Amino acid sequence: DAGVTQSPTHLIKTRGQHVTLRCSPISGHKSVSWYQQVLGQGPQFIFQYYEKEERGRGNFPDRFSARQFPNYSSELNVNALLLGDSALYLCASSRRGYNEKLFFGSGTQLSVL
Amino acid sequence: AQTVTQSQPEMSVQEAETVTLSCTYDTSENNYYLFWYKQPPSRQMILVIRQEAYKQQNATENRFSVNFQKAAKSFSLKISDSQLGDTAMYFCAWYNTNAGKSTFGDGTTLTVKP
Repeated sequence: DAGVTQSPTHLIKTRGQHVTLRCSPISGHKSVSWYQQVLGQGPQFIFQYYEKEERGRGNFPDRFSARQFPNYSSELNVNALLLGDSALYLCASSRRGYNEKLFFGSGTQLSVL
Repeated sequence: AQTVTQSQPEMSVQEAETVTLSCTYDTSENNYYLFWYKQPPSRQMILVIRQEAYKQQNATENRFSVNFQKAAKSFSLKISDSQLGDTAMYFCAWYNTNAGKSTFGDGTTLTVKP
């Protein structure tokens, strides 16, 4: 089975633009979580979705939004990009999203200029 | 606020020796899980080991084991017979079951020397 896939792998945007990041979970996994990881720091939790419903939200501004589709894939949207949004964005999937281990994708490296 | 603290930014160990990475956390919750993740230079995050907070028995996965002290809110990772492939950044993480939210520490960079 394929692992968690994220696209694109790298992205360069300018301030004020909008970006959409995509994630496909492992087959059979119904939960997707999004994390932001700034170089040298631990991942910061953004969202968790389970069965297409938002289960958890981290301390991020409303410029960040996400959704999960009927096939359990997910999109993370960021509006009005700031320089500080430059980071590695990680997607992780799990079977149920309550206590099970997370399987991470390789991430999308976003650079905002 | 729930926090996870890893007090050792960098550590090194000789190949085949044992090393222990420290982690403390702060929460008033009773229902949670603790994890150690490994992130090699490729930046692919990989689960190393998981501990349920309601279990007193320490989790073990091959060469990896934890020392879970719930009252002290401490969750250390012991790596036995260290291998060169263990070189990576290690993150301690806490999962709040009620809120569906994970909190990660800032990591410990481990270097295994030949």
